Amino acid sequence: DADVTQTPRNRITKTGKRIMLECSQTKGHDRMYWYRQDPGLGLRLIYYSFDVKDINKGEISDGYSVSRQAQAKFSLSLESAIPNQTALYFCATSDLYSTDTQYFGPGTRLTVL
Amino acid sequence: AQSVTQLDSQVPVFEEAPVELRCNYSSSVSVYLFWYVQYPNQGLQLLLKYLSGSTLVESINGFEAEFNKSQTSFHLRKPSVHISDTAEYFCAVSESGDKLIFGTGTRLQVFP
Repeated sequence: DADVTQTPRNRITKTGKRIMLECSQTKGHDRMYWYRQDPGLGLRLIYYSFDVKDINKGEISDGYSVSRQAQAKFSLSLESAIPNQTALYFCATSDLYSTDTQYFGPGTRLTVL
Repeated sequence: AQSVTQLDSQVPVFEEAPVELRCNYSSSVSVYLFWYVQYPNQGLQLLLKYLSGSTLVESINGFEAEFNKSQTSFHLRKPSVHISDTAEYFCAVSESGDKLIFGTGTRLQVFP
């Protein structure tokens, strides 16, 4: 079984809809991250969380919100989706004592029409 | 502010040929440097990293990268590539070791 899972893997939605992307991990890591990947732009950090009570904005947090429901779960929400949020979204985790290595989930491909 | 530049968006090579994927960074402080690899339809995996010590770091599958502070570079090399090395490669930099700044990626295509 995968250590970092993301659901759904693919999602097509319409402009204005609320969308939630979920990430779960069985690695026991404290730190979790959300990135988006766009062609030609690489990965950009949206939000990160160092523990359940510590959530921080990343480089491109506008239009997104997150929830850390438990150590193992970190959800990303788009309150009102817009077409330029069409992208590949990745969740990642890292261990408190080895923060330099991040472990990525398989990604969620989101299309906003 | 930190930034990473990967000059080559695509690098086509034939199998068994050598390859170099270029990465330059900018930062006003000491940094940690990483190469991640993304195989088709998968998430990213750490390939190798430089934290401190020896400036030449190696991966288990034959890749190596050398940290060059004077040229602010961290180029990735492999003396002989395989078809299975076809993937997208991302260079990343971090001041703290956790929040990563990624480059735009280089797509390595290995042809038979």
